[in-house]
Amino acid sequence: EPEVTQTPSHQVTQMGQEVILRCVPISNHLYFYWYRQILGQKVEFLVSFYNNEISEKSEIFDDQFSVERPDGSNFTLKIRSTKLEDSAMYFCASKPGQTYEQYFGPGTRLTVT
Amino acid sequence: GQQLNQSPQSMFIQEGEDVSMNCTSSSIFNTWLWYKQDPGEGPVLLIALYKAGELTSNGRLTAQFGITRKDSFLNISASIPSDVGIYFCAGLTTFGNEKLTFGTGTRLTIIP
Repeated sequence: EPEVTQTPSHQVTQMGQEVILRCVPISNHLYFYWYRQILGQKVEFLVSFYNNEISEKSEIFDDQFSVERPDGSNFTLKIRSTKLEDSAMYFCASKPGQTYEQYFGPGTRLTVT
Repeated sequence: GQQLNQSPQSMFIQEGEDVSMNCTSSSIFNTWLWYKQDPGEGPVLLIALYKAGELTSNGRLTAQFGITRKDSFLNISASIPSDVGIYFCAGLTTFGNEKLTFGTGTRLTIIP
C-alpha cells in the first residue's frame, strides 16, 4: 500500500541554523500538508499546499517557515533560523482530490539545541 | 480557535475488554476522522465519518458522528495488545478548509 515517506527521521540542529525537512507524498495525491507535534501534546496544523501554492497556514507558520514542491514528488518544509521552541515532531500528510482523508508520514523529529 | 476535547485522557484496561472514548467540541464539524498514533510514529487513519448520525465500522472499531455535529465516539471491542497507543479525533469544518483540528488524545494502555 502506498505510504507517505519522510526524511530524515531525526534531525539535530543548533539554534539559528536552517533546516529542510523532506517528504514524498503518495503519488496520485493532490493536497499536501505539514503538521507538528510538540512532545506530549496534540498534533497542530502548520500549512496546506495545493496547485503549487499555499492554500492555508496557521499562526505558527510565520516568516521563518516556507514550503516548496521542487519537483513532481518531493514536498519540503524549510525553517530558516531555528529556535529552541521549534523542537517537535513534524508530520507531512497528503490526500487525493475529492476526499477528506489525510494520510500521514512517520514524521521527522527535530531537536534544536 | 476550535478546540476538541477527548475523554478519558487515559484508560487502563485488560485485554479482551471493550473500550469507549469520545471527542467533543464547542463548534460544529462536518467531517470527523479518528487516528491512532504509536510512540514515535505518525497518526494512522482508522475511520472517517461524513454525516451526522453516521455509524461506521472498521473491524473491531466502530465510530459514530454525533447528531449535533459537535461530537464523535469511538468504540473498540475485545481489545488486544496491539490496540495500545494514543487515539486522536480530528475534525474538518468544510471541504476547502483544509486543516485538521486534532483532539487532545486518549492514551490506551492494556494491563497484562
